Amino acid sequence: DAGVIQSPRHEVTEMGQEVTLRCKPISGHNSLFWYRQTMMRGLELLIYFNNNVPIDDSGMPEDRFSAKMPNASFSTLKIQPSEPRDSAVYFCASRGVGGTQYFGPGTRLTVL
Amino acid sequence: AQSVTQLDSHVSVSEGTPVLLRCNYSSSYSPSLFWYVQHPNKGLQLLLKYTSAATLVKGINGFEAEFKKSETSFHLTKPSAHMSDAAEYFCVVSEWSDQFYFGTGTSLTVIP
Repeated sequence: DAGVIQSPRHEVTEMGQEVTLRCKPISGHNSLFWYRQTMMRGLELLIYFNNNVPIDDSGMPEDRFSAKMPNASFSTLKIQPSEPRDSAVYFCASRGVGGTQYFGPGTRLTVL
Repeated sequence: AQSVTQLDSHVSVSEGTPVLLRCNYSSSYSPSLFWYVQHPNKGLQLLLKYTSAATLVKGINGFEAEFKKSETSFHLTKPSAHMSDAAEYFCVVSEWSDQFYFGTGTSLTVIP
């Protein structure tokens, strides 16, 4: 099993640009989570999906952030326009019936 | 309401000595409890989980944790620290919902 796959692993962009982060969950898992990790705020849940449907997006910072899950094997997190304060490591995790979340390696985003 | 308190933000031990990372939780029902480890610039890896079976849970790399309901604790231990154990450790609680509630993390330093 390849585990949760995230791309890109590193992203450097300039303020105002659109950023798209991608995630492929573990096959057969029906829940997907997006987290953000910073030194100041630790790990924050941004949004999660069950069976491709967004269940709780209360952690999404503002309208500049959006997430989609068009099918069971793919999700995107988009930031438009990006700002320097969005610089962080973004993790995707997927969860199957056992209750354990399995994390991807993360995307390190730097907004200049 | 669910919450997790990791009692130490930093722990330093000498190589070969025991490790104790403390975690207390708050939960209304029977929780699932997890410990994850995060090595520098890496994703979160599951160490072990408790889901109402045996109260002493064995995980990977020689770690174990004991669920004590009367003390609402789930402390992580290892008999003998190795240099490769240096990392950030997160205690997590989950109830009926899909969500994970993370502690703020404990940074473990292993002194040669």
